[in-house]
Amino acid sequence: EVKLVEYGGGLVQPGASLRLSCEASGFTFSDFYMEWIRQAPGKGLEWIAASRNKANDYSTVYSASVKDRFTISRDTYKSILYLQMNTLKPEDTAIYYCARASIPPFDYWGQGVMVTVSS
Amino acid sequence: DIRMTQSPASLSASLGETVNIECLASEDIYSDLAWYQQKPGKSPQLLIYNANSLQNGVPSRFSGSGSGTQYSLKINSLQSEDVATYFCQQYNNYPLTFGSGTKLEIK
Repeated sequence: EVKLVEYGGGLVQPGASLRLSCEASGFTFSDFYMEWIRQAPGKGLEWIAASRNKANDYSTVYSASVKDRFTISRDTYKSILYLQMNTLKPEDTAIYYCARASIPPFDYWGQGVMVTVSS
Repeated sequence: DIRMTQSPASLSASLGETVNIECLASEDIYSDLAWYQQKPGKSPQLLIYNANSLQNGVPSRFSGSGSGTQYSLKINSLQSEDVATYFCQQYNNYPLTFGSGTKLEIK
């Protein structure tokens, strides 16, 4: 059974850093793109970062809104996806989801983790 | 970036009715289009991919169609469990982009 479990969220002050983790199980982690999507309270979905699969050298892509502040990475031995978030802003407040991407796209999602950036 | 314009923003329909949700891409996305259902407090779930392929386990009353820049999601015989917000998403090119969502309620 495919499972994605995120953790690491919380309340932080503007300018702070936070690292989210997403533990994956039930599939060969290296075969799939893994991505982060967020959803601000009461708003729509925003894709923010992708880690391509091993065949694509785990290369990364970012949205303009998080580029140069956030870093996506993976521990392939532990099957964990990370999102290092630096210089957090109030507008980064959202539920953060990790998702497995393939054809079909985003076929499995985690339960989401809340990040609140507020003084 | 590819802009996804989704309509309507909200929809109210009776049980058993058929509803349609539209998504317009700002450029040709070559059927690289998915539809997701998100129930309150839950993660999104994939319904349709490649514009018209039904994800495993999704009821057959859901169907997708379209090509080029225009796509639609159709729900036949609306059920109470279909109350949710629906999003389209293009995956033709990064940055991946979503429509703004359609909130479906039962009349």
